[in-house]
Amino acid sequence: DQQVKQNSPSLSVQEGRISILNCDYTNSMFDYFLWYKKYPAEGPTFLISISSIKDKNEDGRFTVFLNKSAKHLSLHIVPSQPGDSAVYFCAASDNAGNMLTFGGGTRLMVKP
Amino acid sequence: DVKVTQSSRYLVKRTGEKVFLECVQDMDHENMFWYRQDPGLGLRLIYFSYDVKMKEKGDIPEGYSVSREKKERFSLILESASTNQTSMYLCASTTVSSYEQYFGPGTRLTVT
Repeated sequence: DQQVKQNSPSLSVQEGRISILNCDYTNSMFDYFLWYKKYPAEGPTFLISISSIKDKNEDGRFTVFLNKSAKHLSLHIVPSQPGDSAVYFCAASDNAGNMLTFGGGTRLMVKP
Repeated sequence: DVKVTQSSRYLVKRTGEKVFLECVQDMDHENMFWYRQDPGLGLRLIYFSYDVKMKEKGDIPEGYSVSREKKERFSLILESASTNQTSMYLCASTTVSSYEQYFGPGTRLTVT
């Protein structure tokens, strides 16, 4: 059973609007969460992270929100740009050898 | 900048062949990982290594083995390739004190 789930395989957004990507997890031992972005034919690149002691972390146009009671995190991109079109993976760690458990990914398409 | 390189971007092999995928990182990272990426399944951990000559099984080690003779190099071996091992293979590395993994560009392996 997948411990990290991204229930939306794809999302389409108009340029300039907000993109919201969601992620749910089941393992209550997870204490650190990351978002990665992946373009075709490239490896994933780190985007933003959040520790379980926080509920929000912001970096420019990207904000990650964590709701521990709901075991849910979300990535907000404002404003969305065509260059943001990629597959986004959320990942979680329970501090066991800094291994990551990844979700299935959400393909974001930002239309000009 | 951290650089993780993988020996091939694309490989086509026949069923039953022995396949070697190599990964090299230039940042003196202790930990290295091999994942495979399949649509809808995200990244799944095959093996990881936290030191030279040390290895640990990930979530899907069956049909694979690994070798780490030098700190900067981590090899994935498919002992007898099968068609269900057709996938994108991604290598990553990180330090012991970080959750953020740095990924190589990936190898798209097709087994016919």
